[in-house]
Amino acid sequence: DTEVTQTPKHLVMGMTNKKSLKCEQHMGHRAMYWYKQKAKKPPELMFVYSYEKLSINESVPSRFSPECPNSSLLNLHLHALQPEDSALYLCASSQETYSSTDTQYFGPGTRLTVL
Amino acid sequence: QKEVEQNSGPLSVPEGAIASLNCTYSDRVSQSFFWYRQYSGKSPELIMSIYSNGDKEDGRFTAQLNKASQYVSLLIRDSQPSDSATYLCAVNFGGDSNYQLIWGAGTKLIIKP
Repeated sequence: DTEVTQTPKHLVMGMTNKKSLKCEQHMGHRAMYWYKQKAKKPPELMFVYSYEKLSINESVPSRFSPECPNSSLLNLHLHALQPEDSALYLCASSQETYSSTDTQYFGPGTRLTVL
Repeated sequence: QKEVEQNSGPLSVPEGAIASLNCTYSDRVSQSFFWYRQYSGKSPELIMSIYSNGDKEDGRFTAQLNKASQYVSLLIRDSQPSDSATYLCAVNFGGDSNYQLIWGAGTKLIIKP
């Protein structure tokens, strides 16, 4: 089973709202990722968690705040977003981050619209 | 600078023919290579991974890796309209960036009935 789940599927929020995206995997993977994808572009890495610790932050603005409550769950807290943050937000997981052959599996994504 | 390049297409192929998708990369010591398929509005789905020179087959899909020439390709035999999608090539260059996939821009494939 290579399933990663994400909720919600769609989210519309105003620039003053606070919302959260959720991601879950039950594959025993120890690495989890957040990506942002704009239309007709490849995914853009935002954050990497390895063994529940934040290991990579790709210079993401502080209005995006990741959280890893346990090894199966990953959240992305959103606050004071801008319209240009509208995108497909993808969660992925892999066995671990220390192998170059590690395979990333993606969830279905959350389509975020910021008004 | 680690780069992955793909022709953005669209690549139009008749139904039943072989679709050939190509990807080149910049670093000769790259470690692993992945092909993802992405339907419009959906998330990337892993099609194939390949780590060693040569061919790897899985059903109608064959990945080909040539590290000396720094290219990886994906062949789709007996193309079906359901294969119409954007195909993303991703490379793990290893070393300090084991966590990171470098992505090509994707090739849009259209299978014409």
